[in-house]
Amino acid sequence: NAGVTQTPKFQVLKTGQSMTLQCAQDMNHEYMSWYRQDPGMGLRLIHYSVGAGITDQGEVPNGYNVSRSTTEDFPLRLLSAAPSQTSVYFCASSPSGQGEQYFGPGTRLTVT
Amino acid sequence: GENVEQHPSTLSVQEGDSAVIKCTYSDSASNYFPWYKQELGKGPQLIIDIRSNVGEKKDQRIAVTLNKTAKHFSLHITETQPEDSAVYFCAAPLVSSYGKLTFGQGTILTVHP
Repeated sequence: NAGVTQTPKFQVLKTGQSMTLQCAQDMNHEYMSWYRQDPGMGLRLIHYSVGAGITDQGEVPNGYNVSRSTTEDFPLRLLSAAPSQTSVYFCASSPSGQGEQYFGPGTRLTVT
Repeated sequence: GENVEQHPSTLSVQEGDSAVIKCTYSDSASNYFPWYKQELGKGPQLIIDIRSNVGEKKDQRIAVTLNKTAKHFSLHITETQPEDSAVYFCAAPLVSSYGKLTFGQGTILTVHP
């Protein structure tokens, strides 16, 4: 099993550009989440999904969209990038909402 | 929502010493408390977790204790080694919302040889 994979590893965007961060898992987990990690602020939940076709907002959803058309994939879309979205983004999956979360390797995003 | 506070933000110890990191949470209905370790350039990885029906859980050199009355839980690492150097995160679920996790701010642990 590859576990949770994320692409790209690094990305630089200009303000106003849009892009999609990809996340895929091959463990047949129902629960998937996106977090952003900023210095001194831990991991903050952006959006999450409890199964295909079901998504909900987390703590910091503004400026981001998600969809979950399959169990395996959970892409995160930045609609119009802003410097405040400079961060490291982690995708995670879990068999349930309360249990071990398996994290991907992260995407380091810089918005100039 | 759930509020999780983690202390200290940095911790420096000598190899062989013990390290303790403490977290407090606000949702009295929370019943699952994991600890994650994050090495440089990698995603967090679960190292130990505890559910609310027990007060302590051990796994070799690491242990977690839970005080539900005071709403705090702690990570204990004994006989620390340089490879324990990493960032550690605690988390607690917001039970009313599919159990989604709220993470603490993280503790940078440095173990000096």
